[in-house]
Amino acid sequence: GIQVEQSPPDLILQEGANSTLRCNFSDSVNNLQWFHQNPWGQLINLFYIPSGTKQNGRLSATTVATERYSLLYISSSQTTDSGVYFCAGPVAGKGGSEKLVFGKGTKLTVNP
Amino acid sequence: SAVISQKPSRDICQRGTSLTIQCQVDSQVTMMFWYRQQPGQSLTLIATANQGSEATYESGFVIDKFPISRPNLTFSTLTVSNMSPEDSSIYLCSVEPGLRTKRFFGPGTRLTVL
Repeated sequence: GIQVEQSPPDLILQEGANSTLRCNFSDSVNNLQWFHQNPWGQLINLFYIPSGTKQNGRLSATTVATERYSLLYISSSQTTDSGVYFCAGPVAGKGGSEKLVFGKGTKLTVNP
Repeated sequence: SAVISQKPSRDICQRGTSLTIQCQVDSQVTMMFWYRQQPGQSLTLIATANQGSEATYESGFVIDKFPISRPNLTFSTLTVSNMSPEDSSIYLCSVEPGLRTKRFFGPGTRLTVL
């Protein structure tokens, strides 16, 4: 099955700094997604980005499907950005569904 | 989008007992997904639940341990049976409101087994 690798595994920033998180896939994907899990465990879908670039406030994401990677950019980081960032890609599941396979995540800590 | 609620939000249980987790969605969805997140780990899919048919389980998960119900298009339950401390995890339900769109997750049920 598809392998999803995220880097770096841990990242510590000072408030206001910028960062780039990377997600590599072992196979082509057609609906890659980025999630943020806050310290309370809630998973928020940040981007559905099969290809190209999308922006949402201080966050943006770029997926280069032909090269099997995606990047998540965080600009002017804030303490509320802390948590774990996951990327996930689909693989064919049982019964005709698509299941999301998650990477191990990047744990981001933003210090004031 | 989809708004998902789960009950209970957290529980502490004794080994050997069972806990049923409820997942309610504010719109009708074809498929619902149940995930487990062990402490400090990523998410692992337990099973996919379609309304009107038996759930399909991923490798390593069996119906006797994790029975699932899907009585209608907005609701599902996951039972964690005969619990052991290794079952201590966050259990999350997830939906995909439209074909190949964003996946949304419930707030999770944080389970501790003593």
